[in-house]
Amino acid sequence: DTGVSQDPRHKITKRGQNVTFRCDPISEHNRLYWYRQTLGQGPEFLTYFQNEAQLEKSRLLSNRFSAERPKGSFSTLEIQRTEQGDSAMYLCASSLARGGDTQYFGPGTRLTVL
Amino acid sequence: RKEVEQDPGPFNVPEGATVAFNCTYSNSASQSFFWYRQDCRKEPKLLMSVYSSGNEDGRFTAQLNRASQYISLLIRDSKLSDSATYLCVAYTDKLIFGTGTRLQVFP
Repeated sequence: DTGVSQDPRHKITKRGQNVTFRCDPISEHNRLYWYRQTLGQGPEFLTYFQNEAQLEKSRLLSNRFSAERPKGSFSTLEIQRTEQGDSAMYLCASSLARGGDTQYFGPGTRLTVL
Repeated sequence: RKEVEQDPGPFNVPEGATVAFNCTYSNSASQSFFWYRQDCRKEPKLLMSVYSSGNEDGRFTAQLNRASQYISLLIRDSKLSDSATYLCVAYTDKLIFGTGTRLQVFP
């Protein structure tokens, strides 16, 4: 257990529904990252925050995706109007700003869109 | 072309074998490099960092060649518990993962 928690661990939804995932990082970590992993692929970067500021977003993050970290602690990732192609494992990681390469991953949220 | 490329395998080896994984990266600005291990349906976990001078952790040895933008991982005396997917990773301001190489160690 790295100390990064994610909720829920599994989510099954119907196409067109909205879903929201939560990540709680290690408490002293000011960077928080979201990655997505599909079957047979490595994790792909989606976005990251330093404190409450969202510093970078991948082209993978379409306008149906939004991420927030309102108080610089936990973060939420929302997917609107889900599509079957959104089915994946959504991974959250956290790090210190200095030493951002040492990231600790949570257990992930596995999303299945029917 | 993917920024980090590695052979997806699978590599099927008997217990006790030595196995080597390779990976290449395309972004010369990458600052640091890692090997992660990922078990089926679990999150990736850091196995080891990779340095130009090479580094060893027990049965695992990693090496970075910046000139050829090449990273390797050597596992000696393979154990059944080494069966997993090994992810090659480069870091700029985020982690860039390869697709992973699947290792299956059999008795």
